[in-house]
Amino acid sequence: DGGITQSPKYLFRKEGQNVTLSCEQNLNHDAMYWYRQDPGQGLRLIYYSQIVNDFQKGDIAEGYSVSREKKESFPLTVTSAQKNPTAFYLCASTLGWNTGELFFGEGSRLTVL
Amino acid sequence: AQSVTQPDIHITVSEGASLELRCNYSYGATPYLFWYVQSPGQGLQLLLKYFSGDTLVQGIKGFEAEFKRSQSSFNLRKPSVHWSDAAEYFCAVGPPTSGTYKYIFGTGTRLKVLA
Repeated sequence: DGGITQSPKYLFRKEGQNVTLSCEQNLNHDAMYWYRQDPGQGLRLIYYSQIVNDFQKGDIAEGYSVSREKKESFPLTVTSAQKNPTAFYLCASTLGWNTGELFFGEGSRLTVL
Repeated sequence: AQSVTQPDIHITVSEGASLELRCNYSYGATPYLFWYVQSPGQGLQLLLKYFSGDTLVQGIKGFEAEFKRSQSSFNLRKPSVHWSDAAEYFCAVGPPTSGTYKYIFGTGTRLKVLA
């Protein structure tokens, strides 16, 4: 079945370490997104990519980095510069601009110890 | 500024009672409108969407929503709530007609269902 796979589901990190969250989709979607979710704050956009080899900062990009080398993959790196990285991270995709809804992965929960 | 407001942070209803979750948006034009549901520790699942046409849209799990342009609202309704409906619900708009790809989400309404 087509869908979005995020891994790992749970991740623990020590302060000062970088960590990379994986997001893979087999929906043949052009656009991919990373959101951060904290209790009571809804979903906040970190980065998005409209097409391979191109991505834009969202509202809270500081301390994060991404790459989009393949259409199906959009990994997110949480760097040591991110001051409060403990959160639930959601990856999403859509076919393209003006074409419909976002499809979401199951999320990754990052805890900094 | 573009925004989505869900004024109710928490709502508690009894099983079998009706439900209405409120959503208001601020936008330069009529956006695409969505309702998503999220169970704890899970991703978001689309309940329904409005792009154009009939302002009353039907979704999965017996949910419906009505778009009211004059009120900039897109409220979610269900005639009879089931215990399994307990979850968090998010209203969203997008993609903006200005050409960016940004979808905007409300802060969510957590639904509790009493047996």
